[in-house]
Amino acid sequence: DADVTQTPRNRITKTGKRIMLECSQTKGHDRMYWYRQDPGLGLRLIYYSFDVKDINKGEISDGYSVSRQAQAKFSLSLESAIPNQTALYFCATSDAREANEKLFFGSGTQLSVL
Amino acid sequence: QKEVEQDPGPLSVPEGAIVSLNCTYSNSAFQYFMWYRQYSRKGPELLMYTYSSGNKEDGRFTAQVDKSSKYISLFIRDSQPSDSATYLCAMSGTNNAGNMLTFGGGTRLMVKP
Repeated sequence: DADVTQTPRNRITKTGKRIMLECSQTKGHDRMYWYRQDPGLGLRLIYYSFDVKDINKGEISDGYSVSRQAQAKFSLSLESAIPNQTALYFCATSDAREANEKLFFGSGTQLSVL
Repeated sequence: QKEVEQDPGPLSVPEGAIVSLNCTYSNSAFQYFMWYRQYSRKGPELLMYTYSSGNKEDGRFTAQVDKSSKYISLFIRDSQPSDSATYLCAMSGTNNAGNMLTFGGGTRLMVKP
């Protein structure tokens, strides 16, 4: 079983719809992140959470919101989807107790907004 | 200008070749340098992690950092078709990776049998 699981794997939606992408992890890490990946632009941070009561905006948070329901669950919502939110979305985790903190990624959700 | 620049490729090489992948950056505060490998429709996975300048070797992979030139490299010796993937460089000024990382856009590598 994957340590970081994202659902769904693929999603097609229409402009203006609200959608939620979900992430769960079995690694026991406190820190969780949402990134988006666009061709040629690398990974950009949307939101991150260092524990259940901590939520922080990343580089590109406009148009997105998140919820940290439990240590193991971190969901990303698009309140009113627009076409330029079409991208590959990744959830990631990290363990702050490690000296050199490393990211562990899920397999991604390909989102298409029509 | 992007903070981290990486040639998108694709870079196509024959099996057994030595591959050189590179990134340049502009922020002199970066001290931690990483290379992630990403297979098609998979999440990135950490390949190499280095601190400050110098070389680090792990099997067929060597990571090199030249802070004076703001230039990092990943060398792959005896490349294999299984090395075909996108390689992303990432860097940070701290060792708290997730919220401080700046990624390059990735270089797509194809190793042909």
